[in-house]
Amino acid sequence: QKEVEQNSGPLSVPEGAIASLNCTYSDRVSQSFFWYRQYSGKSPELIMSIYSNGDKEDGRFTAQLNKASQYVSLLIRDSQPSDSATYLCAVKSGGSYIPTFGRGTSLIVHP
Amino acid sequence: EAGVAQSPRYKIIEKRQSVAFWCNPISGHATLYWYQQILGQGPKLLIQFQNNGVVDDSQLPKDRFSAERLKGVDSTLKIQPAKLEDSAVYLCASSSNPGLDYGYTFGSGTRLTVV
Repeated sequence: QKEVEQNSGPLSVPEGAIASLNCTYSDRVSQSFFWYRQYSGKSPELIMSIYSNGDKEDGRFTAQLNKASQYVSLLIRDSQPSDSATYLCAVKSGGSYIPTFGRGTSLIVHP
Repeated sequence: EAGVAQSPRYKIIEKRQSVAFWCNPISGHATLYWYQQILGQGPKLLIQFQNNGVVDDSQLPKDRFSAERLKGVDSTLKIQPAKLEDSAVYLCASSSNPGLDYGYTFGSGTRLTVV
């Protein structure tokens, strides 16, 4: 069974710091990786996708992928209180159109 | 473009009652998904439609859950009879082509409480 593991947190960081969110996955043939942000009581919103090993940057967000270690992370630079949310990692295998979601990590950015 | 529309936003029912949720996907999107998200967990796929046909319903509890997508546009998810463990947010999502390697857009969800 394909599994996506995330620490549920909460991860608490001060405003302006770097928040580091981690995700591991079990299926070695996974090919596509996504990070969703979910505010309390709201639906998940796609913020990043990554497909190749290395880093991908988009504004204050950087996704990092290491397929050999089956590890994907999301870094949020200059964290703001508005970044406080649950961050869901989702992984899709090459043979499936359906991503498997982790349980999410709760991030709290305090002023 | 308009997003994925869902209704109702909230629903409270007693166990053993029935309930139905409605979803209208983004215009032109052939693929529609229903997810169940229990508090503290990630979304779990219940069923995937391609136009009006079912692609994957392997995780749908078919003894109590049913879904349809008549005419390949709107979709309805029904639970009958409801159990306490069905309390969750039911999310609908759509995509133009499941083969495209993109994440997809979720609707605002229906929060179901079974008491």
